[in-house]
Amino acid sequence: QVQLVQSGAEVKKPGSSVKVSCKSSGDTFRSSTINWVRQAPGQGLEWMGRITPILGIENYVQKFQGRVTITADTATSTAYMELTSLRSEDTGVYYCARGQPWLVYWGQGTLVTVSS
Amino acid sequence: EIVMTQSPATLSVSPGERATLSCRASQSVSSNLVWYQQKLGQAPRLLISGASTRATGIPARFSGSGSGTEFTLTISSLQSEDFAVYYCQQYNTWPYSFGQGTKLEIK
Repeated sequence: QVQLVQSGAEVKKPGSSVKVSCKSSGDTFRSSTINWVRQAPGQGLEWMGRITPILGIENYVQKFQGRVTITADTATSTAYMELTSLRSEDTGVYYCARGQPWLVYWGQGTLVTVSS
Repeated sequence: EIVMTQSPATLSVSPGERATLSCRASQSVSSNLVWYQQKLGQAPRLLISGASTRATGIPARFSGSGSGTEFTLTISSLQSEDFAVYYCQQYNTWPYSFGQGTKLEIK
């Protein structure tokens, strides 16, 4: 059974960066695809990007290109999402989810609040 | 980028009745469509993939249909636990994209 455990809630200042982690247990991490999805308060789901560790390939949605970096540490089966130049509109819950091309296993979500 | 549009935004249905949710793609996605259910405060849960294949453990009252640009999620007899927000997602073309969701509420 695959489980994804994300890091805790963050409060950040505008202009700063946040890095959220997602630790995977269960079966093979390297050959999976880890996706990051954002949900603003009261809003829908928004794909940010994905990484497939075994291929060393990352793909990003254009909206976030240049501000988001997704990485993976195969030694610890942990994926990371770093978002820079934070603004108030980046406030929301950030989910990691495993699966390709659909999302089968989800983390519990990490609330990121951007406020001065 | 393919835009997914769901309708209606909110659907009010009584328990035991049928609910029909729609999802439209801005261009053909073949059958490369999934549905998720999200309850308040929880992560989404996969319901259906390939437009019509129920995920493991999903009750038979959930069914999906459609191809190309028009898709439907039907819940045949609503149970109390089915009242939630439902999202469609296309995986035909990267970047994959979600619809804006349909909130299914108790009438």
